[in-house]
Amino acid sequence: DIQMTQSPSSLSASVGDRVTITCRASQDIRNDLGWYQQKPGKAPKRLISAASSLQSGVPSRFSGSGSGTEFTLTISSLQPEDFATYYCLQHDSYPLTFGGGTMVEIK
Amino acid sequence: QVQLVESGGDVVQPGRSLRLSCAASGFTFSSYALHWVRQAPGKGLEWVAVISSDGKIKYYADSVKGRFTISRDDSKNTLYLQMNSLRTEDTAVYYCASRGDDYWGQGTLVTVSS
Repeated sequence: DIQMTQSPSSLSASVGDRVTITCRASQDIRNDLGWYQQKPGKAPKRLISAASSLQSGVPSRFSGSGSGTEFTLTISSLQPEDFATYYCLQHDSYPLTFGGGTMVEIK
Repeated sequence: QVQLVESGGDVVQPGRSLRLSCAASGFTFSSYALHWVRQAPGKGLEWVAVISSDGKIKYYADSVKGRFTISRDDSKNTLYLQMNSLRTEDTAVYYCASRGDDYWGQGTLVTVSS
């Protein structure tokens, strides 16, 4: 099974900050990775597919990069509505696996 | 408007069974592979199972293999998860989802407790 190691597990940041979250795969997953945002009590919402493709309607301050085993989600200027938990998901092979999550909190 | 509505969550004792349902509308149900994803209270997301669009291919997480069965009834636009031999660690909100187009339900809570 492919393990997804996500870091950091939590971070505190201020509105306007640049935020970077990383996921590392235990083996090459090409670009078969998505990034999800989840707010309390809600279902996850995909922000990025295929490692770097911004989903329709997602603000351009979100971006994804990487391929192979190392991937990054960047929020260029954190907004109040971005405080949430973020997960990566590899879909290169079954079983699918999520990263452990990154909780982005207000500083 | 796409909707996925899960139901069937309940409080059950360890070792018992439960069947979850996910009723879909607003998209061509039979064309989509569908997944179950769960989230234990205060924990992260865990992928559980997938069924292909034709129902012939199924995969499971190791944690549920042999105990859970995913199925679908395209005539009813409904996805199912039969959960047997439930354990306390199966306590979670269970979501149905179509990963490809990122459709998700609102989740249904399963609590396994004596």
